[in-house]
Amino acid sequence: KQEVTQIPAALSVPEGENLVLNCSFTDSAIYNLQWFRQDPGKGLTSLLLIQSSQREQTSGRLNASLDKSSGRSTLYIAASQPGDSATYLCAVRTGANNLFFGTGTRLTVIP
Amino acid sequence: GAGVSQTPSNKVTEKGKYVELRCDPISGHTALYWYRQSLGQGPEFLIYFQGTGAADDSGLPNDRFFAVRPEGSVSTLKIQRTERGDSAVYLCASSPLGYNTDTQYFGPGTRLTVL
Repeated sequence: KQEVTQIPAALSVPEGENLVLNCSFTDSAIYNLQWFRQDPGKGLTSLLLIQSSQREQTSGRLNASLDKSSGRSTLYIAASQPGDSATYLCAVRTGANNLFFGTGTRLTVIP
Repeated sequence: GAGVSQTPSNKVTEKGKYVELRCDPISGHTALYWYRQSLGQGPEFLIYFQGTGAADDSGLPNDRFFAVRPEGSVSTLKIQRTERGDSAVYLCASSPLGYNTDTQYFGPGTRLTVL
């Protein structure tokens, strides 16, 4: 069964810093990998989707990379802001139907 | 609507009761997914619909859980004889066609508390 791990579980940084969140998965036979943001008491907001044939995706201050063969992905956040504080989840799609999620990284950006 | 909506946002019930959770997907999306998120965990897959049919229900934990989507739009997740371990946030997602390459769009979830 696919297992997804996210490190660190929690991270606090001062405003303005660049940071990297890590995601690893055990089965490299994936269709794509998706990064989500979850705010307390809210649902998930999709940030970036990387197809298995792609190496990275960018959206604004966010950049996600994918190394499928090694089972790793990173989410890079540039010039962090207090509004970036949330839990970040990565999820991989290995079948037609479902996503396998990590347990998330809880990010706090300190003003 | 503009996004996936779920009702109720919160549900408190007593052990042994029956509950129904509703999901309204994005208009026109043929694929619908239910996930369950326990405290401190990532969401776990429960069931996937393509149109009106449950294409994959392998994530349902036991036969107390059942879901329907009779007209290919709104879906209801039904839990019988609720147990305290069923307490979690139940998330619904939809995608345009259910392709492997599709993005899944999530609703805000229903927080279920079983006392």
